Amino acid sequence: SQQGEEDPQALSIQEGENATMNCSYKTSINNLQWYRQNSGRGLVHLILIRSNEREKHSGRLRVTLDTSKKSSSLLITASRAADTASYFCATDLGSGTYKYIFGTGTRLKVLA
Amino acid sequence: DSGVTQTPKHLITATGQRVTLRCSPRSGDLSVYWYQQSLDQGLQFLIQYYNGEERAKGNILERFSAQQFPDLHSELNLSSLELGDSALYFCASSPIGARTDTQYFGPGTRLTVL
Repeated sequence: SQQGEEDPQALSIQEGENATMNCSYKTSINNLQWYRQNSGRGLVHLILIRSNEREKHSGRLRVTLDTSKKSSSLLITASRAADTASYFCATDLGSGTYKYIFGTGTRLKVLA
Repeated sequence: DSGVTQTPKHLITATGQRVTLRCSPRSGDLSVYWYQQSLDQGLQFLIQYYNGEERAKGNILERFSAQQFPDLHSELNLSSLELGDSALYFCASSPIGARTDTQYFGPGTRLTVL
């Protein structure tokens, strides 16, 4: 099974609402990143949070990390139709490896 | 535009064939990553190179191989192709291949094996 698993698998909301996506992982990590992918295109990096950080903000994005629960959440506030995309969390596997493992993604649809 | 280029954009071929996918990293980036994205497997890390040397290996099949050249471009070779190899193949690059690096993804190569 995946190191990172996003929940929900799909989310549909109205423009202006907030969208929350969750990511759970299994092993200890150094960093966790969130990426966005528009349909069939390459991924775009959104934000990185280190294991010693609990919360990070970037514009309308807020990411939290709870290492005790091995989970992270991505909140998009005041969503727009342009936020429609798939969102992935990516976790490294702790010390001794450079690999990043991507989760299965949450498909977000923002309705105008 | 991430600055990472991949060619070709689309590739249609038959089972048993061999193909080569090419990636040019962003200017100045030393590390290149390859990923496979299929509907049933999600985004799978294949392999990472840093300055010409293999740095990390993921779920890369023995039929697949990759290399990074002195000019830092990279090629992913897929041989004895099977129907299940049909997928989007992404290349990403990052400055020094560190765990805190942001990875910049190319637009992908869509491979269809008939």
